Amino acid sequence: DSGVTQTPKHLITATGQRVTLRCSPRSGDLSVYWYQQSLDQGLQFLIQYYNGEERAKGNILERFSAQQFPDLHSELNLSSLELGDSALYFCASSVGAGAENIQYFGAGTRLSVL
Amino acid sequence: GQQLNQSPQSMFIQEGEDVSMNCTSSSIFNTWLWYKQDPGEGPVLLIALYKAGELTSNGRLTAQFGITRKDSFLNISASIPSDVGIYFCAGSMNYGGSQGNLIFGKGTKLSVKP
Repeated sequence: DSGVTQTPKHLITATGQRVTLRCSPRSGDLSVYWYQQSLDQGLQFLIQYYNGEERAKGNILERFSAQQFPDLHSELNLSSLELGDSALYFCASSVGAGAENIQYFGAGTRLSVL
Repeated sequence: GQQLNQSPQSMFIQEGEDVSMNCTSSSIFNTWLWYKQDPGEGPVLLIALYKAGELTSNGRLTAQFGITRKDSFLNISASIPSDVGIYFCAGSMNYGGSQGNLIFGKGTKLSVKP
């Protein structure tokens, strides 16, 4: 158990809908990362927050947004869903913001868009 | 986005065999990491490398940060059945900075020889 909690584990929804994925980081970790894992693209970095502030942004679609709350949990919002958004979404957390800090991954949320 | 070239894509192992996989990049990285992912789980960090030329071991696993900073390899000695899974290399240009986003290879899938 990495200590990173992601909910829900599975999500099935329809095209055009909006969903929210939730992540609770390990106790003491200030940085949260979101990654998308799909069969064709592999693991792709989406966005990083550190203590509530956005720190790095990857190839995150405009339809996707995220935030980190004062209690340090984070939410990833996916809207106007398309079939191609079906993937595993992972949250990771680390103590600090730089790459020298070990990132611990949650078990992921599997999103299926039908 | 930028990706790492990881090879081989898949390999079959017999218990007791040594295994080798590597990762190359067209860009210089300041951090190289090796993760393992089991079905239904998030990636788990195996070895982290922060210095060019660094050779680090973790039990039967050994990894090296290439001198050119553009490659890394992972060796597993005397493989056992629980080594089965998907191994990912990951790199970052950030060390000691304010961003921790990782770039991942597409993975090497280790299976047991039938």
